[in-house]
Amino acid sequence: KAGVTQTPRYLIKTRGQQVTLSCSPISGHRSVSWYQQTPGQGLQFLFEYFSETQRNKGNFPGRFSGRQFSNSRSEMNVSTLELGDSALYLCASSIRIGGSYNEQFFGPGTRLTVL
Amino acid sequence: AQSVTQPDIHITVSEGASLELRCNYSYGATPYLFWYVQSPGQGLQLLLKYFSGDTLVQGIKGFEAEFKRSQSSFNLRKPSVHWSDAAEYFCAVGTSGTYKYIFGTGTRLKVLA
Repeated sequence: KAGVTQTPRYLIKTRGQQVTLSCSPISGHRSVSWYQQTPGQGLQFLFEYFSETQRNKGNFPGRFSGRQFSNSRSEMNVSTLELGDSALYLCASSIRIGGSYNEQFFGPGTRLTVL
Repeated sequence: AQSVTQPDIHITVSEGASLELRCNYSYGATPYLFWYVQSPGQGLQLLLKYFSGDTLVQGIKGFEAEFKRSQSSFNLRKPSVHWSDAAEYFCAVGTSGTYKYIFGTGTRLKVLA
């Protein structure tokens, strides 16, 4: 079974631009979460989507948004990029079966550099 | 609020030596606990998880972890480290009803030949 895939793997943008990152979860997984990883702040939760609805949101400004499609694929958008948005953005998927808790599996990440 | 503490930022061990990475969590109820490993430039790979039951859990690559409720700890162990284990290790806690993981700051493991 294929793992979580993220595209693109690397991105270079300039301040003020916007960017869209894509995540395809493991087949059959319905929950997708996004995390930002930086050397200074570590791994921080951005948001989780399940059944095309945002279920949880981390403490990030409104410039960070996401969505999930009916096939469970998810996109994350960052508008008006700032230098501090340079990070590794990780996507994780979980089967999220009701009534039980399930682990998340992570993709390889998208490395975003803002110049 | 939930939190995870990994007190050791860097650990260096010799190949073949035993390893213990520490993790302490703060959460009011029984948490869901995880250890992940990250190689440079890569995503996170799940080593093992604790949801309930036996407090000693076995994972991949010969790793194990023990949940100690009284100490709010979930330490990762390996009896004999291999050079390929050099990586960064993250402890994480998940809470019921949410898939928002709280991660520790990570422990970077260096293995000496």
